[in-house]
Amino acid sequence: SQQGEEDPQALSIQEGENATMNCSYKTSINNLQWYRQNSGRGLVHLILIRSNEREKHSGRLRVTLDTSKKSSSLLITASRAADTASYFCATGFGNEKLTFGTGTRLTIIP
Amino acid sequence: DAGVIQSPRHEVTEMGQEVTLRCKPISGHDYLFWYRQTMMRGLELLIYFNNNVPIDDSGMPEDRFSAKMPNASFSTLKIQPSEPRDSAVYFCASGDPNQPQHFGDGTRLSIL
Repeated sequence: SQQGEEDPQALSIQEGENATMNCSYKTSINNLQWYRQNSGRGLVHLILIRSNEREKHSGRLRVTLDTSKKSSSLLITASRAADTASYFCATGFGNEKLTFGTGTRLTIIP
Repeated sequence: DAGVIQSPRHEVTEMGQEVTLRCKPISGHDYLFWYRQTMMRGLELLIYFNNNVPIDDSGMPEDRFSAKMPNASFSTLKIQPSEPRDSAVYFCASGDPNQPQHFGDGTRLSIL
């Protein structure tokens, strides 16, 4: 079963704009991760945030976590055409079952 | 490292046939996971192994599905007999306690 919902389900923005995706989950967590999936490919790990962290940055990515609301957001700044993909949040880690959100399909318009 | 390798990338077969999906995990990873992705159910775990031993197979849909890991570098997921509702993308991932799971590119399975 899926951990929760992501919104929006789909997002189209102009290249150079920022993209924000949100994820909600249902149970208590130790870690939350974001993955990217390009069309026809596997999932690529982007960033991990632990339950005792509120915000984390990696390059053009910024992730926030609000454990009281059981929600997380992923911000991609200065979007590029290559960012076109589906993005999933997932709870769990390398030695645990990953439970995924429903995903956001992001399209960057050149 | 070549990453997680899955084969075949695509499989089209007729209902009732046996299907075998293969996975080679990243060397040194003690955990191997099989996930399935469909439009209706999204990404869901089927089964995972630790040191070649199945730990949780609660996601395996029914007895038609079986998975094995005979050694640390190889795993199979078998469907016998296959049905049209088994059509999906099947992913293998490997990991360990200190790093995120790494995914293969998946097998796109179509059962006619």
